[in-house]
Amino acid sequence: EVQLVQSGAEVKKPGESLKISCKGSGYSFTTYWIAWVRQMPGKGLEWMGIIYPGDSDTRYSPSFQGQVTISADKSISTAYLQWSSLKASDTAMYYCARGRYSNGYYDYWGQGTLVTVSS
Amino acid sequence: EIVLTQSPGTLSLSPGERATLFCRASQSVSSSYLAWYQQKPGQAPRLLIYGASSRATGIPDRFSGSGSGTDFTLTISRLEPEDFAVYYCQQYGSSPGTFGQGTKLEIK
Repeated sequence: EVQLVQSGAEVKKPGESLKISCKGSGYSFTTYWIAWVRQMPGKGLEWMGIIYPGDSDTRYSPSFQGQVTISADKSISTAYLQWSSLKASDTAMYYCARGRYSNGYYDYWGQGTLVTVSS
Repeated sequence: EIVLTQSPGTLSLSPGERATLFCRASQSVSSSYLAWYQQKPGQAPRLLIYGASSRATGIPDRFSGSGSGTDFTLTISRLEPEDFAVYYCQQYGSSPGTFGQGTKLEIK
């Protein structure tokens, strides 16, 4: 069974750093792309970026370039999304999702990680 | 970046009725690379349709997609109680892939 299991909810202060994770199982982790999608409270879906764990090829949306870093460790089938300095506006649910292509649709999604940034 | 505009914003219907949701792109979506997702409260999105008209694995045949170019439609032939949710379209023909703002399908 294909699964993407994300790390748990986080509460952070502005300026702090954070790294959340997405662990894949039930399929060949290195042959599918993993995308990250933001959903701010009560809002729609925003594509942030994507990584190919096989060779760590990474693409970012212009809106998120320089704001976050996407990485992966194929030895443990895990992708990451990290911030070096959080802002209150980073408060959102973050989903990882699996896709067959760098430009593609997403057939499996993680359960989401809620990040709350508040002083 | 291609902007997707979904309409209506909210659709109020009763179980058993037919639902038609629209997604319009600011420019042509190449090769009909358009997908539809369903999201229920507190859940991750679920893939319904890809390639504008192909149903994802396990999706009931009451869900159908159509369209090309800039205009796409998701139709639910007879609404079941579990179909009331928010629906998003996504284009993946050009980078970055973008989502529409969503249509909320609510019980009348």
